[in-house]
Amino acid sequence: QQQVKQSPQSLIVQKGGISIINCAYENTAFDYFPWYQQFPGKGPALLIAIRPDVSEKKEGRFTISFNKSAKQFSLHIMDSQPGDSATYFCAASPIYRGGGNKLTFGTGTQLKVEL
Amino acid sequence: DTAVSQTPKYLVTQMGNDKSIKCEQNLGHDTMYWYKQDSKKFLKIMFSYNNKELIINETVPNRFSPKSPDKAHLNLHINSLELGDSAVYFCASSPYTGGDNEQFFGPGTRLTVL
Repeated sequence: QQQVKQSPQSLIVQKGGISIINCAYENTAFDYFPWYQQFPGKGPALLIAIRPDVSEKKEGRFTISFNKSAKQFSLHIMDSQPGDSATYFCAASPIYRGGGNKLTFGTGTQLKVEL
Repeated sequence: DTAVSQTPKYLVTQMGNDKSIKCEQNLGHDTMYWYKQDSKKFLKIMFSYNNKELIINETVPNRFSPKSPDKAHLNLHINSLELGDSAVYFCASSPYTGGDNEQFFGPGTRLTVL
């Protein structure tokens, strides 16, 4: 049972273009939605995260758009650069103390930014 | 200064053997995790400890046993290794157990079972 569905599986974008990765979730208990970036041979690292009380969050070239009614959220990378080439994971978890931070990850999107 | 470190980085072993992976974090975090990343890069949580107490135990075979001697260390012991255990295992830590805090991942241990 895949609780967080991610698409596309892979994405090729030209340098300077916009990369868009989409995720959809099913569990309405989820209320924290981070995106992690993973380079080959490294562990994932937090890129940006959003809570459902806002519809958009921007940090530099990275923006999360969130649609609570549709249970969907997406990552937009503006002015994509070759250094952005990595695997991107969306994730979701409920926010409650004491119960553990159980992140459910999407299946990942391998992004390649070409010159 | 490595925040979350794991040893070894690579582990190649035969089916049926027992092996351990060690994890240490120097961030002062209360919560630590083990994740498994399979060949398709799918990341799934296995265990989580908070201050040495097990708080998340996903449906993982009994052959996997985590141990937390103190809140800075979380080790993973695997008995009777099987081919399907081949994967990259990541240790992670976070400041507390709430869902809205960043998890810091280690560099991973690539386990290959022959």
